[in-house]
Amino acid sequence: AQSVAQPEDQVNVAEGNPLTVKCTYSVSGNPYLFWYVQYPNRGLQFLLKYITGDNLVKGSYGFEAEFNKSQTSFHLKKPSALVSDSALYFCAVRDASDSWGKLQFGAGTQVVVTP
Amino acid sequence: DSGVTQTPKHLITATGQRVTLRCSPRSGDLSVYWYQQSLDQGLQFLIQYYNGEERAKGNILERFSAQQFPDLHSELNLSSLELGDSALYFCASSVSGGYGGELFFGEGSRLTVL
Repeated sequence: AQSVAQPEDQVNVAEGNPLTVKCTYSVSGNPYLFWYVQYPNRGLQFLLKYITGDNLVKGSYGFEAEFNKSQTSFHLKKPSALVSDSALYFCAVRDASDSWGKLQFGAGTQVVVTP
Repeated sequence: DSGVTQTPKHLITATGQRVTLRCSPRSGDLSVYWYQQSLDQGLQFLIQYYNGEERAKGNILERFSAQQFPDLHSELNLSSLELGDSALYFCASSVSGGYGGELFFGEGSRLTVL
C-alpha cells in the first residue's frame, strides 16, 4: 500500500521569498507523484506530476518539484511566492505497478503568503 | 473550470435520510473517482469506475454505493445518513484508469447532515 506524508500542517512565507512544501512518499514499486492545489470552497487543481525522466518537473503558475528517489521525496517549490499562492496544497502518489491503483493523497499543507 | 460537473453544490438533510450526488466527467474521460474530504479524515478515496465497471474500492462504507452509467456520468448514493457523513464529496475524472494520468476534480458537493 502507498502512503504520503506532508510533515508541515502550515507553511508561512513572505511575498517574494522562496516557497517550499515538503512531501515524502512510500510505495512498493515505482511512484507516480502529483501535486494539487485547493483554494477555499473549490475543487483540487492539478499543478504538476512526475512520471519518469528528468527529476525536476515544472508545472503551472511557476511551481516546480524535485523527485528524489533515495530520499523518497517530492518537494514542491516556487522561487518567489505571491499572496495569491495562499491555498491548501496536496501531494499524491500512485504505485506505477498497479494499473488501477488509487491516488493516495497526503493530509495537505496550508500555505500562507503574507504581503 | 476543470470540465467536471457536480450537482448539487450544497445539500442539507437529516440523519437517517438518503441522498444522491451526481457527477458528469470531462468529455472523453472514461474513469470517474469519488473522494470524501472532511476536517478530521482529510481526503479519502471512496471508489473508482472505468467505463461503467468498478475498478478500485477504498474506504467506502456499506451504506454508500455508486455506479457509472452508459453515458459515463456517475452517481454516489449515501443512505442512512449520520452526522459524521457531513463532508465535501468530490468527483474526479481521468482519461484512463490509472498509470500516470492526472485527475481533474469537480467543485464538490457539500453535504450537511443535521
